[in-house]
Amino acid sequence: QVQLQQSGTELVKPASSVKISCKASGYTFTSNYMHWIRQQPGNGLEWIGWIYPGNGNTKYNQKFDGKATLTADKSSSTAYMQLSSLTSEDSAVYFCARGRTTLDYWGQGVMVTVSS
Amino acid sequence: DIQMTQSPSFLSASVGERVTLSCRASQNINKYLDWYQQKLGEAPKLLIYNTNNLHTGIPSRFSGSGSGTDYTLTISSLQPEDVATYFCLQRNSWPRTFGGGTKLELK
Repeated sequence: QVQLQQSGTELVKPASSVKISCKASGYTFTSNYMHWIRQQPGNGLEWIGWIYPGNGNTKYNQKFDGKATLTADKSSSTAYMQLSSLTSEDSAVYFCARGRTTLDYWGQGVMVTVSS
Repeated sequence: DIQMTQSPSFLSASVGERVTLSCRASQNINKYLDWYQQKLGEAPKLLIYNTNNLHTGIPSRFSGSGSGTDYTLTISSLQPEDVATYFCLQRNSWPRTFGGGTKLELK
């Protein structure tokens, strides 16, 4: 069965960076897009971007250009998102989700807290 | 960006009741509309894709309809396990955008 296992909770300092992971199993990693979505406390969902692990192509929401960088490691079927220049506004839960068309399977989410 | 507006923001209903949730897009999204259910502390779960297609394993009490800018999720007979927040997502254009959600609780 399709599973997306994300890395654990992160507590990071302002102005730093963090890299979170999403390990895929149960399907062909290189043939499906991997999307990333942000959910701020008490707020709705925002689409950050996608990566196609087969060729490394990416597409970003303009809002997250320069904030998020998406990469993928085909050998371990793992997608990564690095968030840079972190501020308190970046404190949120970050989800990965498989999506050739719709976002049909989601990871459990990673809570990132930015605090000094 | 396409704005997605869900209504109501909060809904209280009784077990067995028929429930209707709405999602309105700021422009025509050509039925590229999905619905998700998110329970407290969990990831969103896909219920319906492309307006009216039930995702694998989703109970048949869930259904979707709509076209153009207006879309609806219906639960034909509310069950206690349906307590959750429901989000719509448009996939007609980039960036993908979600509605603000409808929080459904039991009366």
